[in-house]
Amino acid sequence: DIVLTQSPGTLSLSPGERATLSCRTSQSVRSSYLAWYQQKPGQAPRLLIYAASSRATGIPDRFSGSGSGTDFTLTISRLEPEDFAVYYCQLYGGSPPNTFGQGTKLEI
Amino acid sequence: EIQLVDSGGGLVQPGGSLRLSCAASGFTFSNYWMTWVRQAPGMGLEWVANINKVGSEKYYLDSVKGRFTISRDSAKNSLYLQMDSLRAEDTAVYFCARLRSTDYGGEYFDYWGHGTLVTVSS
Repeated sequence: DIVLTQSPGTLSLSPGERATLSCRTSQSVRSSYLAWYQQKPGQAPRLLIYAASSRATGIPDRFSGSGSGTDFTLTISRLEPEDFAVYYCQLYGGSPPNTFGQGTKLEI
Repeated sequence: EIQLVDSGGGLVQPGGSLRLSCAASGFTFSNYWMTWVRQAPGMGLEWVANINKVGSEKYYLDSVKGRFTISRDSAKNSLYLQMDSLRAEDTAVYFCARLRSTDYGGEYFDYWGHGTLVTVSS
């Protein structure tokens, strides 16, 4: 089974700063299999990025995704107050067919 | 506007049953695969089950196989999750979501319901 590892577990930054979140897979995967979500307390997850680098509808361009093979990155170029949340990567493939990382909490 | 509205959660004793529903609107329900994802209190996200457009293909997390059944009714634009033989470890918020596929394989979930809480406890 492919294991997803997100790092760091918690990232403390200030509004206006740049955030870099990592998602590593235990085996090389297709970029088209990797997505990123944002979740705020008491809310459903929100799709940010699919196929590693494609922004979902309505997502601001300060969010970007990159990576290939086993290393994937979500970058928030300039943090807004509403960006402080938990971020999850998700991988298609293997068993089970969909797996989520353990999450990175982005806090002020 | 695309909307998914989850319902049916509640408190149930171990070994009991519950049926979750997800009402879809704002898109052609019969054109999309659908999924259930859960989140235990204070924990991360866990995929539970997928169903294809016509309900003929179903996939499950190993720990729920034989206990949970995903289904859909396109006439009612609704997705369901029948949960039997419930265990304490099934306690979670359950989200329905619309499943999309990328051009080169891969799946992701583009719209989500607000979630419904299932608590399994005596």
